[in-house]
Amino acid sequence: KAGVTQTPRYLIKTRGQQVTLSCSPISGHRSVSWYQQTPGQGLQFLFEYFSETQRNKGNFPGRFSGRQFSNSRSEMNVSTLELGDSALYLCASSRDSALPDTQYFGPGTRLTVL
Amino acid sequence: AQSVAQPEDQVNVAEGNPLTVKCTYSVSGNPYLFWYVQYPNRGLQFLLKYITGDNLVKGSYGFEAEFNKSQTSFHLKKPSALVSDSALYFCAVSLLSDSWGKLQFGAGTQVVVTP
Repeated sequence: KAGVTQTPRYLIKTRGQQVTLSCSPISGHRSVSWYQQTPGQGLQFLFEYFSETQRNKGNFPGRFSGRQFSNSRSEMNVSTLELGDSALYLCASSRDSALPDTQYFGPGTRLTVL
Repeated sequence: AQSVAQPEDQVNVAEGNPLTVKCTYSVSGNPYLFWYVQYPNRGLQFLLKYITGDNLVKGSYGFEAEFNKSQTSFHLKKPSALVSDSALYFCAVSLLSDSWGKLQFGAGTQVVVTP
């Protein structure tokens, strides 16, 4: 079974631009969560989607948004990029958010903001 | 508020020696605890989890962890470390009240195994 895939793997943007990252979960998984990883703040939860609905949201500004499609694929968008948005963005999927199921992570998208 | 702490930034161990990576948690309800490992330029790989039942949990690659409710700890252990175990290890916790999709991670512990 294919794992979680994320595209693109690397991105370079400039301040003020916007970016869209994509995540395809493991087949059959309906929950997708996003995390930001930086050296200073570590791993921080962004949001979780289940059945096309946002189930939970972390403490990030409104510039960070996401959505989930009917096939469970998810995208996250960051508008008006800031230098501090440079990070590894990780997506994770699990079968059902109503159970304490294991989250499986993708390889991440490395975003660099210049 | 729930939280998880990994008190050691780095753990150094010689190959063949036992490896322990410490994790303590603070939650108001029943904790659901996870260990993940991250190799350079890679995502997180799942090692093991504690949901309920036996306090000793066995996971992938020879790792195990012991849930200790009285000490609010969930330390990761491996009887004999390998050089290939050198990586960044994360402890994480989730709560039903937050939904399972939200994991709170510790700061991570860098494990260095020397030949």
